[in-house]
Amino acid sequence: GNSVTQMEGPVTLSEEAFLTINCTYTATGYPSLFWYVQYPGEGLQLLLKATKADDKGSNKGFEATYRKETTSFHLEKGSVQVSDSAVYFCALTKDTGRRALTFGSGTRLQVQP
Amino acid sequence: ETGVTQSPTHLIKTRGQQVTLRCSSQSGHNTVSWYQQALGQGPQFIFQYYREEENGRGNFPPRFSGLQFPNYSSELNVNALELDDSALYLCASSLAPSGGSETQYFGPGTRLLVL
Repeated sequence: GNSVTQMEGPVTLSEEAFLTINCTYTATGYPSLFWYVQYPGEGLQLLLKATKADDKGSNKGFEATYRKETTSFHLEKGSVQVSDSAVYFCALTKDTGRRALTFGSGTRLQVQP
Repeated sequence: ETGVTQSPTHLIKTRGQQVTLRCSSQSGHNTVSWYQQALGQGPQFIFQYYREEENGRGNFPPRFSGLQFPNYSSELNVNALELDDSALYLCASSLAPSGGSETQYFGPGTRLLVL
């Protein structure tokens, strides 16, 4: 079946540090890949997505590239801010059948001033 | 454009009771999906509704059931509540399911506590 594996957190960084959160997936066919962010006490917000191999999703300074050869979709940001502190979820949907999101377990990011 | 809304925001029930959670989809969206998020975990897919019909179901027992109405709003019903049903229940809306790339937009969730 489909699955998503994320690096365990929490990840603690100082403001303006470089961020990488690793995400790898297992799926047949050509899934679409997503990063969602969850701020404390809130629901999930879409951060970025990529729908085919070598696509790069980007938003608010965050980027992730769909790498089919390594089945990865790592999230990066060049300079994090305190306001980026949240839980980040990597997810996928299959290209056929049920249109459900399969999520990783989430990675908590804490940015210190 | 109105986003996804859910009610109530919090709920406390006792084991064995029944609960109904509600969701209003984002304007123009005709598909609603429900997810259960246990504390410290990623959301797990419960089921999806498209044009008032169930369009896929995750690994949840039949005591989890749902409805979608003609205005595309939706309900999640859980019967015979168990302690492990305590979680954040998230509703997400999207356009017609096609190709898997359509984005799902989430509501703020309903936090259910079962005592």
